[in-house]
Amino acid sequence: DVKVTQSSRYLVKRTGEKVFLECVQDMDHENMFWYRQDPGLGLRLIYFSYDVKMKEKGDIPEGYSVSREKKERFSLILESASTNQTSMYLCASRQGGRVNEQYFGPGTRLTVT
Amino acid sequence: EDKVVQSPLSLVVHEGDTVTLNCSYEVTNFRSLLWYKQEKKAPTFLFMLTSSGIEKKSGRLSSILDKKELSSILNITATQTGDSAIYLCAVGGGTSYGKLTFGQGTILTVHP
Repeated sequence: DVKVTQSSRYLVKRTGEKVFLECVQDMDHENMFWYRQDPGLGLRLIYFSYDVKMKEKGDIPEGYSVSREKKERFSLILESASTNQTSMYLCASRQGGRVNEQYFGPGTRLTVT
Repeated sequence: EDKVVQSPLSLVVHEGDTVTLNCSYEVTNFRSLLWYKQEKKAPTFLFMLTSSGIEKKSGRLSSILDKKELSSILNITATQTGDSAIYLCAVGGGTSYGKLTFGQGTILTVHP
């Protein structure tokens, strides 16, 4: 069974803080993704990574950065958290190739006050 | 820009009813359409439909892809309270392998 884990289920941070969200997958997947999920908007892609040290912007990258130093780990960084980044953050991974489903972690609910 | 639209946005039914959820898409270089079920935590994979596999069925759930109409439906027969969830439709395409575009989701509530 594919397992994707995220470092925290719930996180509360203050405006201006630097926030790190960690994601680890145990299936040697090439591709990893970070989404945020907001009511009525569905899942929106922030960043994704094809392989180690490779990253590409998704649809809403502003205010975020990522790091992938090891294949199994993909980190999302909020350089200076703002209240509009309060959201559910979901990490996913998939095997490389033309057509493969993504497997999701349990999510981190981040509140920025 | 790729776009996925789901309807209805929410639905309330009683146990035993049959429901049909809709998903329409506009995407460059379509590769796949996926359905996920999300309860209180991570979305879990239900089906993937492609040009070579336009119909899938698992128990009371089934899904069909209509490539001509650029849409898909997810049917759930004899609904149960455990079917209450958000159902997400996502489409893979464009120039980047693996990237999915998600719809807003349909919130299904099944009352006893």
